[in-house]
Amino acid sequence: QVQLLQSGAEAKQPGASVKVSCKTSGYTFSDYFIHWVRQAPGQGLEWVGRINPKNGGTMYADKFHGRVTMTTDASLATAWMDMSRLTSDDTAFYFCAKDLRDSEAFDMWGQGTMVAVSS
Amino acid sequence: IVMTQSPATLAVSPGEKATLSCRAGLSVSGSVAWYQQKPGQSPRLLIHSASTRATGVPARFSGSGSGTDFTLTINSLLSEDSAVYYCQQYNNWPLTFGGGTKVEIK
Repeated sequence: QVQLLQSGAEAKQPGASVKVSCKTSGYTFSDYFIHWVRQAPGQGLEWVGRINPKNGGTMYADKFHGRVTMTTDASLATAWMDMSRLTSDDTAFYFCAKDLRDSEAFDMWGQGTMVAVSS
Repeated sequence: IVMTQSPATLAVSPGEKATLSCRAGLSVSGSVAWYQQKPGQSPRLLIHSASTRATGVPARFSGSGSGTDFTLTINSLLSEDSAVYYCQQYNNWPLTFGGGTKVEIK
């Protein structure tokens, strides 16, 4: 069965960087885009960006441009999201999600990784 | 594109029907998905392409709409349907979500 397994919770100080991993299984990794979505505590969902595992092509939401980097390793069927210059506003659960082949609806999600930014 | 969901909270009795609304600031054609999220869980895809149920989703969940106005209907509500429901548009970048509708069971 399809699974997306994310790395564990992180506690960071303001100004630091965090790298979250998303290990996938149960499907052909390079055939589907991986997206990252975040959710601040008690808040709604916010799209961060996506990566094409086939060629590494990325698209990021404007507000994260210059601060986020998404990468993949097809041999490990794993994706990473690296976010730098963290502030308290970045405190959130970060989810990776796989999209459908012909649309950007997300049919499978990781369990989420809590990133807490505090001094 | 701003996605506006209403109402913010909806209280429905078991067995009744819940109707959730999602309005897009601009036309998004039929590129809308609906998700269910229960406390402490990841979102679950219910509907994509405005009206296509995802694999394994019960038939009591249905979606409709196109352009700017979309509806998620939950027929014969069960206690397990208590959750927050989000709509999402994927017609334009960046992908955007509505603020959510919390469905409570009376």
